[in-house]
Amino acid sequence: AQSVTQLDSQVPVFEEAPVELRCNYSSSVSVYLFWYVQYPNQGLQLLLKYLSGSTLVESINGFEAEFNKSQTSFHLRKPSVHISDTAEYFCAVRGGGSYIPTFGRGTSLIVHP
Amino acid sequence: DVKVTQSSRYLVKRTGEKVFLECVQDMDHENMFWYRQDPGLGLRLIYFSYDVKMKEKGDIPEGYSVSREKKERFSLILESASTNQTSMYLCASSLREVNYGYTFGSGTRLTVV
Repeated sequence: AQSVTQLDSQVPVFEEAPVELRCNYSSSVSVYLFWYVQYPNQGLQLLLKYLSGSTLVESINGFEAEFNKSQTSFHLRKPSVHISDTAEYFCAVRGGGSYIPTFGRGTSLIVHP
Repeated sequence: DVKVTQSSRYLVKRTGEKVFLECVQDMDHENMFWYRQDPGLGLRLIYFSYDVKMKEKGDIPEGYSVSREKKERFSLILESASTNQTSMYLCASSLREVNYGYTFGSGTRLTVV
């Protein structure tokens, strides 16, 4: 079965600083990778996804993630965060023979002024 | 704007009550899902359905059942609510090909007292 590890439960950072949220998964065979964001008191929204092709994928609000097959990672990065980026971020992976994506436990990004 | 609508944002129920959580989507999606979200545990899949009247158990189906009589509606039923079912419940839907990602509802925060 697929497993997903988000190494940091909480990441505090100052506004305009760069940030990286880490995600590692267990299977490297035909994986499809997702990042979701959950703002306070809301459901999850799809932020970006990797299905195939270029290993670097971008979202419309400045986040990017890179698929690294050899390290089985899909870390999320942003070069300069805003207060409004404060949210919970979930990595999800579909692969390893499973039809349904498996979610990580989430990383709480807290942006301080 | 496409939507997944959960009928209640907040619910308080008594131990032993039968509880219905309703979810409706307007995107003609084949797949629908129920997750519960708890701090530190991330999202855990309760049940999912890939067609009308079809259902599959997820990772934690005990104490829950589901109903999908129409394509747009997926109901989660707590047969006899218990305090350990106090949680945030999230409904999601997707096209048959789950690689396009999920659309989530805003969630129902259920408290069982």
